[in-house]
Formats: sequence, C-alpha cells, structure tokens
Amino acid sequence: EAEVAQSPRYKITEKSQAVAFWCDPISGHATLYWYRQILGQGPELLVQFQDESVVDDSQLPKDRFSAERLKGVDSTLKIQPAELGDSAMYLCASSPKQTGLGYEQYFGPGTRLTVT
Amino acid sequence: AQTVTQSQPEMSVQEAETVTLSCTYDTSENNYYLFWYKQPPSRQMILVIRQEAYKQQNATENRFSVNFQKAAKSFSLKISDSQLGDTAMYFCAFMNLRDDKIIFGKGTRLHILP
Repeated sequence: EAEVAQSPRYKITEKSQAVAFWCDPISGHATLYWYRQILGQGPELLVQFQDESVVDDSQLPKDRFSAERLKGVDSTLKIQPAELGDSAMYLCASSPKQTGLGYEQYFGPGTRLTVT
Repeated sequence: AQTVTQSQPEMSVQEAETVTLSCTYDTSENNYYLFWYKQPPSRQMILVIRQEAYKQQNATENRFSVNFQKAAKSFSLKISDSQLGDTAMYFCAFMNLRDDKIIFGKGTRLHILP
C-alpha cells in the first residue's frame, strides 16, 4: 500500500541553525499539507499546496519558515533560524482530491524536531 | 471560524468493553466532513472513520461507529469490544468542502487495559 514518506524521522539542531524536512506524498495526490503538532495536542496546519501552488499559508511564520513544492510532487519545509519553540512533530499529509471536493488525508510518520 | 472540541483529555477502559469518545464542533458551513483519526504511540496518524454531513445515517467501520447529531454539532466515536491495539490518541477533525482544510481537536488519549 502506498504511503507518505518523510525524512528525516528525527532531527536535533541548535537554535539559530537551519533545518529542512522532506515529504514525498502518495503518487497522484494533488494536495499536500504540512502540519506542526506540539506534544499532546492536535496538528495545526502550516501550509497547504494544490499541485505546485500554495493554497493556504496563513499560519506559516514566514519570517523563518518556507515551503516549496516545485514540481508539484515532493515538498520541502525549511526553518531558518530555528528557535526553541519550534520543537515539535512536523507532519506531512496528502490527499487525492481536488480542492472543494473533500477527501481524507493520508499522513506520513512525521519528523520530530528538537531544538536545543 | 470553525472549532473542534474534545472534552475528554484521557480515558481508560478494560479490554472488551465499549467506550465512547466525545466531540463537538462549531461551524456556519453546511457542507463538510467529519473524521476520527487514530495516532498510536510513536506511529503515524491513520483514519478511523469518516462522516459526510449531508448523510443522516451514522457511519460504521467494523467495531467503530459514530453518533452524528448535526443540529447539536456533535460527533462521538464508539469503539465496541475494545482491544489493546486501540490504545492511542484519537483526534476528531472537521473539514469544510470549500478548501479541504482540516481542523483538529486537541485529542483524547485512550488506554485499553488488559
């Protein structure tokens, strides 16, 4: 069964350093999401892509976070510089449906970031 | 703005018992989906069950069923004959059909005791 791939699974970095996460969605899924999940809470959307276009990045801290999905397939989320408060699980999800049709999201295993 | 509230931070039940997890939501939308997702310890989030708002019939998936009360904006999950593998965080989620954006509740940590 096809799955969403994410790497790395774990990342420890010092504050003020740059860090990047990678996500490969299920083949054919046009919609890709990045979430941040603080321990013990539900995921919060950071950015949503439809193909290569950003649909929603209203909750993305744009002074330090950036996301791209250049060819409309895999995606990279970057943080520069990392801050202590960025320590969290970063989840990627993909969905097969076009915007407006609604369909469940398939989640990757996540990248657990620890900023020291 | 939509909100999703899960009022039970943590629950424990004995194996084979039935347990109900509560969820309420607030929205002015008329077309939406509701979901329950399961996140086992150190494992990825998976979909448990989905309910389309336009359907009056409650969704069921094997031992999992929902009680969807649209007027009351309530969406509870019932797990029958609970198993040790049901131990996980359970998230209730709302998706409006305008933009497919999902809003998650804070979760309920469920422990199934042997």
